[in-house]
Amino acid sequence: DAGITQSPRHKVTETGTPVTLRCHQTENHRYMYWYRQDPGHGLRLIHYSYGVKDTDKGEVSDGYSVSRSKTEDFLLTLESATSSQTSVYFCAIGNTGSPDTQYFGPGTRLTVL
Amino acid sequence: TQLLEQSPQFLSIQEGENLTVYCNSSSVFSSLQWYRQEPGEGPVLLVTVVTGGEVKKLKRLTFQFGDARKDSSLHITAAQPGDTGLYLCAGVKNSGGSNYKLTFGKGTLLTVNP
Repeated sequence: DAGITQSPRHKVTETGTPVTLRCHQTENHRYMYWYRQDPGHGLRLIHYSYGVKDTDKGEVSDGYSVSRSKTEDFLLTLESATSSQTSVYFCAIGNTGSPDTQYFGPGTRLTVL
Repeated sequence: TQLLEQSPQFLSIQEGENLTVYCNSSSVFSSLQWYRQEPGEGPVLLVTVVTGGEVKKLKRLTFQFGDARKDSSLHITAAQPGDTGLYLCAGVKNSGGSNYKLTFGKGTLLTVNP
């Protein structure tokens, strides 16, 4: 298994509070991705990174920001959580050698009350 | 936004039966991938098909990429309870340089009953 960890694995928070999810990899892969998975929608890309300090928006980026100050860490921040952001969040990594292959982390289940 | 339509959305069968899951799009993809996801875990890549008309076999699983590279199918022969899970297809497109983006279907939830 690719060395990807996500923290926390579960979180319950209140509407309006800031939340940061962390993805950590030990594979030294260049690309990192954040997805959310919701019933009826499948997996949708939120943001991705193609290197340290290089990030770009995905399909559903509104309300989310990301940062990548080190190769191994990719942070997803919800500045002011809303109930519509209740979801399961997955981090994925990919490398230049096989760029279309992504390895997924175990996920973070976030509930916004 | 490219859409990938997966069907059926749910499938419940008995052990030993055969099944086929379909993944269709109006867009052309450079390749198409199939993932399997178990409860509480992330998706795991099963196969990537690249060439139109390509067929790949993985034990009892057969994957086919359509000639026009817009659709794919996954066929499972003699399904077993261990095949139970969420099967996802993902279309792959190059978004510049060596960066590839995946567009996922909504998934097929397969239950194989003993």
